[in-house]
Amino acid sequence: DSGVTQTPKHLITATGQRVTLRCSPRSGDLSVYWYQQSLDQGLQFLIQYYNGEERAKGNILERFSAQQFPDLHSELNLSSLELGDSALYFCASSGGDISSTDTQYFGPGTRLTVL
Amino acid sequence: AQSVTQLGSHVSVSEGALVLLRCNYSSSVPPYLFWYVQYPNQGLQLLLKYTSAATLVKGINGFEAEFKKSETSFHLTKPSAHMSDAAEYFCAVRHTGGFKTIFGAGTRLFVKA
Repeated sequence: DSGVTQTPKHLITATGQRVTLRCSPRSGDLSVYWYQQSLDQGLQFLIQYYNGEERAKGNILERFSAQQFPDLHSELNLSSLELGDSALYFCASSGGDISSTDTQYFGPGTRLTVL
Repeated sequence: AQSVTQLGSHVSVSEGALVLLRCNYSSSVPPYLFWYVQYPNQGLQLLLKYTSAATLVKGINGFEAEFKKSETSFHLTKPSAHMSDAAEYFCAVRHTGGFKTIFGAGTRLFVKA
């Protein structure tokens, strides 16, 4: 158990819908990262927050957004869903900021299926 | 730009045999390098990381990796495979002062009895 929790574990929805994925980092970790893992794209970095502020952006679509709240939990919002958005979405947390080499601890993931 | 290439999407070894998973990176500045393991239906777990200290890095579960700048490689090895090593392994690179971690496509390790 990494100490990172993600809810829900599974999510099935239809095209055009909007969903919210939630992540609680390990106690004391200030950075939260979101990743998308799919068969065709592999593991892709989406976005990072540090202590409530966006710090780094990867291959995140404009239909996707995220935020980190004062209690440090984070939410990833996916809207206007398409079939290609079906994937595993991982959250990871670490203690430090983007220049740190702190270990990223991954949550168990949320499997999103778009029908 | 950074990139990571993992040679071989699938590797099969016999129990007790040497495990060698290959990773080559591309980075214009000194990199940080990582190996992660993913067991079925689980998130990624860090095996080891290179952060510009010793070039031979020892990790968990008997794995180690050697940073070779001249070859731009960071191959993962384990002297003797165990059935429990069967999983997917990801090499990743992040450059010092960089903004994001780039993951390789992954190598699935099969261990035969």
